[in-house]
Amino acid sequence: EDKVVQSPLSLVVHEGDTVTLNCSYEVTNFRSLLWYKQEKKAPTFLFMLTSSGIEKKSGRLSSILDKKELFSILNITATQTGDSAVYLCAVKKSSGDKLTFGTGTRLAVRP
Amino acid sequence: DAGVIQSPRHEVTEMGQEVTLRCKPISGHNSLFWYRQTMMRGLELLIYFNNNVPIDDSGMPEDRFSAKMPNASFSTLKIQPSEPRDSAVYFCASSPIAGGGEQFFGPGTRLTVL
Repeated sequence: EDKVVQSPLSLVVHEGDTVTLNCSYEVTNFRSLLWYKQEKKAPTFLFMLTSSGIEKKSGRLSSILDKKELFSILNITATQTGDSAVYLCAVKKSSGDKLTFGTGTRLAVRP
Repeated sequence: DAGVIQSPRHEVTEMGQEVTLRCKPISGHNSLFWYRQTMMRGLELLIYFNNNVPIDDSGMPEDRFSAKMPNASFSTLKIQPSEPRDSAVYFCASSPIAGGGEQFFGPGTRLTVL
């Protein structure tokens, strides 16, 4: 059975801190890993990673994939209160379009 | 551009009643997905369609759940009869191409079955 495990389950930091969120997976025929941010509504897409070692970056957020060790990290630097959300990791297999999601990391950024 | 549209946004019903959730994908997107999100189980895929054809319905919990996509711009998820354990947020998502990249989520329907 495909598995996606995220850690930590929750995290509280202060504005300006840097955080690292983890996602490990066990999936046959892996194709890509996706990160989403979910505030009090629908998940919104952040990154899609398909190749090991290539960092994707968007502002203060960045992510990288290690296909050998089967994990990805999402980094957020200089956190702001607007970064407070649940961050979801999902994996896609090479066949089909199904995404298997982890249970998420709940991040709270205090002023 | 309008995103994925879902209706209703909130639904409260009594056990045993039929519930129909509706979704309009982003225009031009060929894939449509129905998800259910609960605290206990997180975000789970129920079913998805490519070009209006159901491809994988292995996540549909039981026969009480059914989904249709009669055309490229409309899909329904029906629960009949509903039960309290069906209470969840149901998301619809669409994707531009089959086998392609990210999925774009609608705002969700919060279903409460009393």
